[in-house]
Amino acid sequence: NAGVTQTPKFRILKIGQSMTLQCTQDMNHNYMYWYRQDPGMGLKLIYYSVGAGITDKGEVPNGYNVSRSTTEDFPLRLELAAPSQTSVYFCASSLLAGPGSNEQFFGPGTRLTVL
Amino acid sequence: AQTVTQSQPEMSVQEAETVTLSCTYDTSESDYYLFWYKQPPSRQMILVIRQEAYKQQNATENRFSVNFQKAAKSFSLKISDSQLGDAAMYFCALGAAGNKLTFGGGTRVLVKP
Repeated sequence: NAGVTQTPKFRILKIGQSMTLQCTQDMNHNYMYWYRQDPGMGLKLIYYSVGAGITDKGEVPNGYNVSRSTTEDFPLRLELAAPSQTSVYFCASSLLAGPGSNEQFFGPGTRLTVL
Repeated sequence: AQTVTQSQPEMSVQEAETVTLSCTYDTSESDYYLFWYKQPPSRQMILVIRQEAYKQQNATENRFSVNFQKAAKSFSLKISDSQLGDAAMYFCALGAAGNKLTFGGGTRVLVKP
């Protein structure tokens, strides 16, 4: 199993450009999450999904969109990139949200710089 | 709203010694979980230890153990017999409804040989 994979690993965007960060998991997990980590800070939840076709906002959703058409994929879209979106983005997944099955498995992250 | 606070930006420990990282949290949920994650320079988030709030017994994973004080909303991590490979950022996290995690700001652990 590859676990949680993210592409690209690095990206530099110009202000106003758009891009999609890809996330795929091969563990058949129901729950998927997008977090951002600003320099020297902890992770903050952007969006999450409890299953295909169901998404909801996290703590910092502004400027982002998500979709979940399959169990495996959970892409994150930036429509109009701004310097404030310079961050490291992590995708994560978990099987369920109950006891013994709520460990979140993280991808390796995407470092995004907006200039 | 949930909050997680780590009051120690950086901790230094001698190899083979013990270090304790502090974490306090606040939540109105009755059913929640607490985690410690390790983030080495590679950026990969690695689960170190997990504690269910309904369990009174403190979790232990090899050299890592926690001191969970539910009434005080405190969740500290003890690393025993510190090794060079333990050097990393450590994040305390609170998981509640929907398993959404709220992270603290992190503590950097330096291990001196």
